[in-house]
Amino acid sequence: KQEVTQIPAALSVPEGENLVLNCSFTDSAIYNLQWFRQDPGKGLTSLLLIQSSQREQTSGRLNASLDKSSGRSTLYIAASQPGDSATYLCAVRSVRDSNYQLIWGAGTKLIIKP
Amino acid sequence: NAGVTQTPKFQVLKTGQSMTLQCAQDMNHNSMYWYRQDPGMGLRLIYYSASEGTTDKGEVPNGYNVSRLNKREFSLRLESAAPSQTSVYFCASSEARQPNQPQHFGDGTRLSIL
Repeated sequence: KQEVTQIPAALSVPEGENLVLNCSFTDSAIYNLQWFRQDPGKGLTSLLLIQSSQREQTSGRLNASLDKSSGRSTLYIAASQPGDSATYLCAVRSVRDSNYQLIWGAGTKLIIKP
Repeated sequence: NAGVTQTPKFQVLKTGQSMTLQCAQDMNHNSMYWYRQDPGMGLRLIYYSASEGTTDKGEVPNGYNVSRLNKREFSLRLESAAPSQTSVYFCASSEARQPNQPQHFGDGTRLSIL
């Protein structure tokens, strides 16, 4: 059964720093991996989707990498800003799941200190 | 440009009461989903509807029922609420139930069962 882990559960860094969020998954047979952002009291916003054949995706100051063989993805945030404070979740779709369900990590709560 | 709309945003129930959570999407999507999010855990799929007229169980369906009322609306019903169902509930939709289709989320319903 696919399991997704995000460590650390919380992270606090000063504004301006570059930072990396981690996501690991136990079964490398995936269709894709997505990173989402969740603001307090709000829904989830998709940030980046990496297909299994891709190594990385970039959007603005965000860069997500995927190492399928080792079951890892990282989300790199450059020049962090207070507005980046949110919970970041990753989710994978497993090839072995015919329902194409998203399997989620518990998230990393990020606080950017001004 | 509402996207996915969930009502209500907050609700407190007593054990044994019933309630229906409403979800509507205006993107003409075929597939809709209900998730629950608990502290320290990833989102878990309760039920989904791949297309109008069909519904299927997800990972944690016990204690819930769903109705795909039409293409726009997908409701989640708790017949006899239990404290273990205290959670944040998210509705999502996608154009189709395919692995590369992104899901769009509502802002959630925060439900407390006393």
